Amino acid sequence: KNEVEQSPQNLTAQEGEFITINCSYSVGISALHWLQQHPGGGIVSLFMLSSGKKKHGRLIATINIQEKHSSLHITASHPRDSAVYICAVSRSNYKLTFGKGTLLTVNP
Amino acid sequence: DAGVIQSPRHEVTEMGQEVTLRCKPISGHNSLFWYRQTMMRGLELLIYFNNNVPIDDSGMPEDRFSAKMPNASFSTLKIQPSEPRDSAVYFCASSLQPTDTQYFGPGTRLTVL
Repeated sequence: KNEVEQSPQNLTAQEGEFITINCSYSVGISALHWLQQHPGGGIVSLFMLSSGKKKHGRLIATINIQEKHSSLHITASHPRDSAVYICAVSRSNYKLTFGKGTLLTVNP
Repeated sequence: DAGVIQSPRHEVTEMGQEVTLRCKPISGHNSLFWYRQTMMRGLELLIYFNNNVPIDDSGMPEDRFSAKMPNASFSTLKIQPSEPRDSAVYFCASSLQPTDTQYFGPGTRLTVL
């Protein structure tokens, strides 16, 4: 079993829909990261969080340390949100353990 | 700031050739990471430098791979000789401190024929 599991693997939505991507992990962590990668593109760090909730524009990330679970929400989704979203965890040091990613497609 | 800069963006080479990938981290960042991304294995950490010193190279696949960081503003990842299975996207990332947010470069897409 992978230390970091994401669901769903693939997600297709219509423009304007509310989207949730989930991440579960099996080890104690110091921080959880959400990353975005557009097709053929670079990787952008969206959030780094160790508790509670963070919001940036239409993106919201939450984490429940007790349940070892995090969610990434996108409100009012747009085709430009189409990308792979990657969850990664760090355990008190520099090393990130990555999930396999969720491919999001938002249709106009 | 220009962000993390990588060159070249694309590299196509023949098996057996030497390949050198380059990275300029964000100024002031003391941590630098080299990653490899493939469809099969996702993102893998190859090597981590702190203050120009290699701290963890356990992810370097084999002796054909080597990395250097001669100063705070430049790092190289070299593959010699290259093999088709080295085809991947190689990312460089930097962070202010080891556990801070990592900022990724645009990546180098390597194809070894």
